[in-house]
Amino acid sequence: QQQVKQSPQSLIVQKGGISIINCAYENTAFDYFPWYQQFPGKGPALLIAIRPDVSEKKEGRFTISFNKSAKQFSLHIMDSQPGDSATYFCAALDNAGNMLTFGGGTRLMVKP
Amino acid sequence: NAGVMQNPRHLVRRRGQEARLRCSPMKGHSHVYWYRQLPEEGLKFMVYLQKENIIDESGMPKERFSAEFPKEGPSILRIQQVVRGDSAAYFCASSLVGQHEQYFGPGTRLTVT
Repeated sequence: QQQVKQSPQSLIVQKGGISIINCAYENTAFDYFPWYQQFPGKGPALLIAIRPDVSEKKEGRFTISFNKSAKQFSLHIMDSQPGDSATYFCAALDNAGNMLTFGGGTRLMVKP
Repeated sequence: NAGVMQNPRHLVRRRGQEARLRCSPMKGHSHVYWYRQLPEEGLKFMVYLQKENIIDESGMPKERFSAEFPKEGPSILRIQQVVRGDSAAYFCASSLVGQHEQYFGPGTRLTVT
């Protein structure tokens, strides 16, 4: 099955620090890469997404960096806050546009 | 502007019973996707439907699972003869025609006893 590999599995960051989560993929047919944030007991919420023709996208404190040649992308959370404590999932959608393939998730804890 | 709605939020079934999970997409969305999330794991695609059509069911187990999205009413994911391994959170997502963004509902947490 097509895979998206996500690291680290868990991350602890001090308030105000930068949280960095990395993902790597194999399938070159992937052409849309969203990040989702999930709080316990809730559904995943779309956070930010990028297409491979762009190397970086920023929305507020959240930035996606994309390296097409390395088939890697990452989420940076600047000035991390305790309210950012959640599980983050990267995902990828192929150009057929049907199913999202998810990474395994990163549990982020931001300490006050 | 209501989001994706799922019900029930929690469902307990004994082994061998049937589970029916319902999903109402966001207003104006005609594409529905079902995903399953096992504890401490990522989400896995199950099926993609449009009104009255199953477009891609490559992630659906071959037996006991079925899905529909009728012309009127919510999408239904049906699991017959449930087993303990079916215990998971089931999420529905919806999207607009021609758009990549998928928006998720709150999920149904199925527990099989």
